[in-house]
Amino acid sequence: QKEVEQNSGPLSVPEGAIASLNCTYSDRVSQSFFWYRQYSGKSPELIMSIYSNGDKEDGRFTAQLNKASQYVSLLIRDSQPSDSATYLCAVSKKTSYDKVIFGPGTSLSVIP
Amino acid sequence: SQTIHQWPATLVQPVGSPLSLECTVEGTSNPNLYWYRQAAGRGLQLLFYSVGIGQISSEVPQNLSASRPQDRQFILSSKKLLLSDSGFYLCAWSVLRGYEQYFGPGTRLTVT
Repeated sequence: QKEVEQNSGPLSVPEGAIASLNCTYSDRVSQSFFWYRQYSGKSPELIMSIYSNGDKEDGRFTAQLNKASQYVSLLIRDSQPSDSATYLCAVSKKTSYDKVIFGPGTSLSVIP
Repeated sequence: SQTIHQWPATLVQPVGSPLSLECTVEGTSNPNLYWYRQAAGRGLQLLFYSVGIGQISSEVPQNLSASRPQDRQFILSSKKLLLSDSGFYLCAWSVLRGYEQYFGPGTRLTVT
C-alpha cells in the first residue's frame, strides 16, 4: 500500500462546477496535511494546510479532513480554466524527523 | 517575506559530466532545506534534507550528494551524471519539519 494515494485523473469538470479531489493515507498517526497546485512545467505551490478534523475554507477552496477514515479532500468551487493543473496531496508522517510524503497528484482540467 | 532562488533554470549536460545546482533562501534563518526530484509525469522524490549547516540526510542512495555550506544555501552535486538523473530538481524550505514546505522555481536537467 502506498503511503499517500490519489486518483491520477485526469479529472475533467465544466467551468463553474465544483471539482472534488481526494487523497488517502496509510499512516494513522499522520498529523499535518497539505494541498499543492502544480502548473505544467512549474514548481508546486502551497494552497491549503489542514491539521484537525473538519473543513477549512479559503476563498473558493475547501479542505476536508477525516482522520478516522484517513482521508483528506480538496473542493474547488466555481472552477475556472485557470484551475487546470495537477494537485498534489502531502501528508506529514510521524517519524523521528516528521517527513512529508507527497502523493502522485491528480490532473484537473476545467473545460470552458 | 521569504524568497527561495534556484539556478540555473535549465541545464543540458552529457552523461558522465559533473553537476552543481544551487538553492538559496532569503528572509528567514535556520530553515529546513530539501532537495526533490520529479521525473517526467511522476511524483516528487525526496533526495536530501538538512536541518542545519553541515547536516545532511540522504533519502535515496544514488550518485548525487548535497551540501549546506551556509545557513541559507543548499547545493546538489554529482561527480558523474547518468541518463536517469534527468528530471525537474526542486529545492524547498520549511520553518519546522513536518510543516508547510515552500518550493523554489526548479531546475530542469536533461542528461544526454
